Amino acid sequence: QKEVEQDPGPLSVPEGAIVSLNCTYSNSAFQYFMWYRQYSRKGPELLMYTYSSGNKEDGRFTAQVDKSSKYISLFIRDSQPSDSATYLCAMSGPDDYKLSFGAGTTVTVRA
Amino acid sequence: DSGVTQTPKHLITATGQRVTLRCSPRSGDLSVYWYQQSLDQGLQFLIQYYNGEERAKGNILERFSAQQFPDLHSELNLSSLELGDSALYFCASSAGITGTANEKLFFGSGTQLSVL
Repeated sequence: QKEVEQDPGPLSVPEGAIVSLNCTYSNSAFQYFMWYRQYSRKGPELLMYTYSSGNKEDGRFTAQVDKSSKYISLFIRDSQPSDSATYLCAMSGPDDYKLSFGAGTTVTVRA
Repeated sequence: DSGVTQTPKHLITATGQRVTLRCSPRSGDLSVYWYQQSLDQGLQFLIQYYNGEERAKGNILERFSAQQFPDLHSELNLSSLELGDSALYFCASSAGITGTANEKLFFGSGTQLSVL
């Protein structure tokens, strides 16, 4: 079993729809949770960073962490074609030297 | 633009050969990380350097080695290449050691390695 599980999709939605992405994890020591966006042939770009449980909102993006269920989510409201990318969840524990990544979910927003 | 520079962007070579990938971190960042991304394995951590010293090793093969120079740029050396080494290799940098707690990890655009 992988430490971080993420459905690779692909996910195709019409423009303006809400995109819902999620990851589950097994390591209860994880405290820092991130979502990265990766466009084709580019490096991952940090979108959201959350510490411990709770919600965080940044514009059209909302990240949620439920540590009791070991489940994190990313919601994209009013999705745009420019949101078409692969979204990777990543997480780490205190003093970790690396991030543990999910496999990434490929999202296509249709105009 | 993340500020992390990787060269070359593409590399095509044959099995058994040796290649060197280069990375310049963001200005002021002391930590450099190398990750490998393949379709079946996803993003895998290889190795981390902080201010010239190796700090942590991940799933790095013995055929692979890296170093960080006094000017903080880093090189990843891959030798005795096999077909399975074909992948995207990313360099990332951060200001501190862990690159996680309250610190952002900035990725370069990667080097696409194709071993034929």
